[in-house]
Amino acid sequence: DIQMTQSPSSLSASVGDRVTITCRASQSIATYLNWYQQKPGKAPRLLIYAASNLHSGVPSRFSGSGSGTDFTLTISSLQPEDFATYYCQQCYYSPLTFGPGTKVDIK
Amino acid sequence: EVQLVESGGGLVQPGRSLRLSCAVSGFIFDDYAMHWVRQVPGKGLEWVSGISWNSGSIGYADSVKGRFTISRDNANNSLHLQMNSLRAGDTAFYYCVKDIASSFSDSSGYLIGESWFDPWGQGTLVTVSS
Repeated sequence: DIQMTQSPSSLSASVGDRVTITCRASQSIATYLNWYQQKPGKAPRLLIYAASNLHSGVPSRFSGSGSGTDFTLTISSLQPEDFATYYCQQCYYSPLTFGPGTKVDIK
Repeated sequence: EVQLVESGGGLVQPGRSLRLSCAVSGFIFDDYAMHWVRQVPGKGLEWVSGISWNSGSIGYADSVKGRFTISRDNANNSLHLQMNSLRAGDTAFYYCVKDIASSFSDSSGYLIGESWFDPWGQGTLVTVSS
């Protein structure tokens, strides 16, 4: 199975900060990497697909990059509604696997 | 509007069975692969199972293989998850999820084309406890 790791596991940031979350796969997955956002009590929602493509309706302050085994999700200027948990997911090989999540909370 | 509505969750004793259903609307159901993803309250996401548009390709997480069975009824726009021999560790919210792809994986396990999950249902809680 392909193992996904994320760092950090949590971070505290202020509104307006630039935030970067890293995701690493245990083997190369090309760009078969997606990012999801989940707020408490809600279902996850898609943010970024295929490593760097912004899903429809997602603000442009979100961006994704990377290929192979190393990926990043960047929020250029953190907004109050961005405080949530973020998960990466590989869709290269079954079983599909998620990272453990990165919780972003208010400093 | 795309809608995915799960049902069938509840409290069940260890060793018993439960069947989850997901009613979908707002898109052509048999054009897309579908999945179940679960989440223990307060924990991370775990993919449980996926099925291609025509049920020709199916996959399971190792943790549920041999106990859970995914199926779909394209005529009635519904997705199902039959869960047998339930354990306490199966306690979680179960989400029905639509894939962007129609296919799932090939016989070697590699996904056929790109895949991402959108949208997700609101989830149904399964609690396994005596």
